[in-house]
Amino acid sequence: VVLTQSPGTLSLSPGERATLSCTTSHKITYLAWYQQKPGQAPRLLIYGASKRATGVPDRFSGSGSGTDFSLTISRLEPEDFAVYYCLIYGLSEYTFGQGTNLEIK
Amino acid sequence: QVQLQQWGAGVLKPSDTLSLICTVDRAFLTNYYWTWIRQPPGRGLEWIGEAHSSGVTNYNRSLASRVSISVDTSNKQFSLKLRSVTAADTAVYYCARVANGAGSYYNFDTWGQGALVTVSS
Repeated sequence: VVLTQSPGTLSLSPGERATLSCTTSHKITYLAWYQQKPGQAPRLLIYGASKRATGVPDRFSGSGSGTDFSLTISRLEPEDFAVYYCLIYGLSEYTFGQGTNLEIK
Repeated sequence: QVQLQQWGAGVLKPSDTLSLICTVDRAFLTNYYWTWIRQPPGRGLEWIGEAHSSGVTNYNRSLASRVSISVDTSNKQFSLKLRSVTAADTAVYYCARVANGAGSYYNFDTWGQGALVTVSS
């Protein structure tokens, strides 16, 4: 399964809305989103495309089905600037997206 | 809250075997798949493979010929071995748990702290 994450870099200001995208070459059922800050392990944000993990603020939301999925951060906080990855499972393998670097404008 | 603690890392020479262990605190190893992921410096995440205590394993096809992952329930740990390493295997290696339950599947819900492995002659 080919996984395409976009954009590669997203430059926004605190308070703005961020929308990140993952597109797959085949229909998939399970998609997760992760946040990674420098020097830290990734943190699970969203699983099952739209379910927030424990402790994740409600400004984070996931949507989509089939081949097109999105992560939306409704109002960016300073701590949200990080790299985000999507993760899919298909054909007995897991694949991460290439990552979106969400940076402060 | 389960915690994963990684052991091993450091510097290896080309053709060495990489060996890492992840110990699991307060978890039932038999109920989950356990997985390894790596991240080369400044780059993205790559899934390496997973293992269950039953012996079932799944590996990234690009690494399958060199990798083995196993689970040791008696010692509450799982391990990664990667043979014949090269500089391209230099990365931070993470262990993680594959979620299983409460509607959460096919994601990695708990991670170790990561361990840098450098391959250099």
